[in-house]
Amino acid sequence: EIVMTQSPATLSVSPGERATLSCRASQSVSRNLAWYQQKPGQAPRLLIYGASSRATGIPARFSGSGSGTEFTLTIGSLQSEDFAVYYCQQYNSWPPMTFGQGTKLEIK
Amino acid sequence: EVQLVESGGGLVQPGGSLRLSCAASGFTVSGNHMSWVRQAPGKGLEWVSSIYSGDSTYYADSVKGRFTISRDTSKNTLYLQMNSLRAEDTAMYFCARDDGIGTIVWFDYWGQGTLVTVSS
Repeated sequence: EIVMTQSPATLSVSPGERATLSCRASQSVSRNLAWYQQKPGQAPRLLIYGASSRATGIPARFSGSGSGTEFTLTIGSLQSEDFAVYYCQQYNSWPPMTFGQGTKLEIK
Repeated sequence: EVQLVESGGGLVQPGGSLRLSCAASGFTVSGNHMSWVRQAPGKGLEWVSSIYSGDSTYYADSVKGRFTISRDTSKNTLYLQMNSLRAEDTAMYFCARDDGIGTIVWFDYWGQGTLVTVSS
């Protein structure tokens, strides 16, 4: 099973600033990695797939990068609606598909 | 517009059974790979099961032998039959549509979830 580790667990950032979230895989997942956003009481929403491709309707301030075992989600100029929990997920080698434990992005 | 609406959750005693449903609209469940993902209260996301073309099915080790994923093309609905339920199965259960090619897929649409509570 591929273990996904996200850091930090909580990230405090001021609105208008940039946020950088990290995700590490226990073995290479190539570029088969997705990022999801989840707000309280809501379902997750797909942000990024293929490590760097934005899903339909996702603003350009969200960008993904990385390959192999190291990945980054960058959110430029944070808006109030961006404060949420973010999960990475590998789909390169499964079952099982595995998620990171999440990074909570909170307002500083 | 793609929509997924789950139902069938509730309170059940340990050892009991439930069948979750996920009604799809805006696409056909028969033409897409589909999955269930769960989230225990205050915890992260956990993949549970997937059904693929030709009705190939896959399960997490934690539910293998107890849960069964299936779909009814006439009702355009995905199901998860859950038997021998345990306290650790307590979670919000989301159905999701898979997108991608072959087994390289991610979850592009999610339902709002249905809550399953296993307790005596």
